[in-house]
Amino acid sequence: SQTIHQWPATLVQPVGSPLSLECTVEGTSNPNLYWYRQAAGRGLQLLFYSVGIGQISSEVPQNLSASRPQDRQFILSSKKLLLSDSGFYLCAFHRGVNTEAFFGQGTRLTVV
Amino acid sequence: KNEVEQSPQNLTAQEGEFITINCSYSVGISALHWLQQHPGGGIVSLFMLSSGKKKHGRLIATINIQEKHSSLHITASHPRDSAVYICAVRPRGGSNYKLTFGKGTLLTVNP
Repeated sequence: SQTIHQWPATLVQPVGSPLSLECTVEGTSNPNLYWYRQAAGRGLQLLFYSVGIGQISSEVPQNLSASRPQDRQFILSSKKLLLSDSGFYLCAFHRGVNTEAFFGQGTRLTVV
Repeated sequence: KNEVEQSPQNLTAQEGEFITINCSYSVGISALHWLQQHPGGGIVSLFMLSSGKKKHGRLIATINIQEKHSSLHITASHPRDSAVYICAVRPRGGSNYKLTFGKGTLLTVNP
């Protein structure tokens, strides 16, 4: 079966520190991978998506970057966190345009 | 711009009540998803619809493509149904790689 793992679940980081959130997928190959952010009181916002290894598209300009070093691994990073980076981050995947979407458990990031 | 509006924003019900959550969107779509987010934050996909109606246990989802509207119904609601329910749509055409999400409906079912 298809599963998605995301870690850590919670993270408190000081301003200016680096960030690395990891997402891995099992039970499928060549998935479309997504990073979303959910700010308080707002809907999920797409940050990055990837259709293959090394292929990253950014939806919004920001202080974050993403990488896909392996087919089923998607990493969200920052060199220096800002207070405004606080939020709930979700990794997701699906196999194709009109297929079921699967979401990770999310990471609640608090930048202090 | 694709807008997804959900109503109500908050809903409180007594155990056993029939619940309806609505979702309206503004562009042509290829699919609509209903998602459930529990307090811990993880999201579970409940349904993916492109037409008609789907049923899973006590949950029923319907969609009217012409009216650009979908509803999620919960029959015989239970406190464990308490969660945020999110509607998301996949537009037809060039932006169909991504989902646009509503802000969610917070459902609280009291015993």
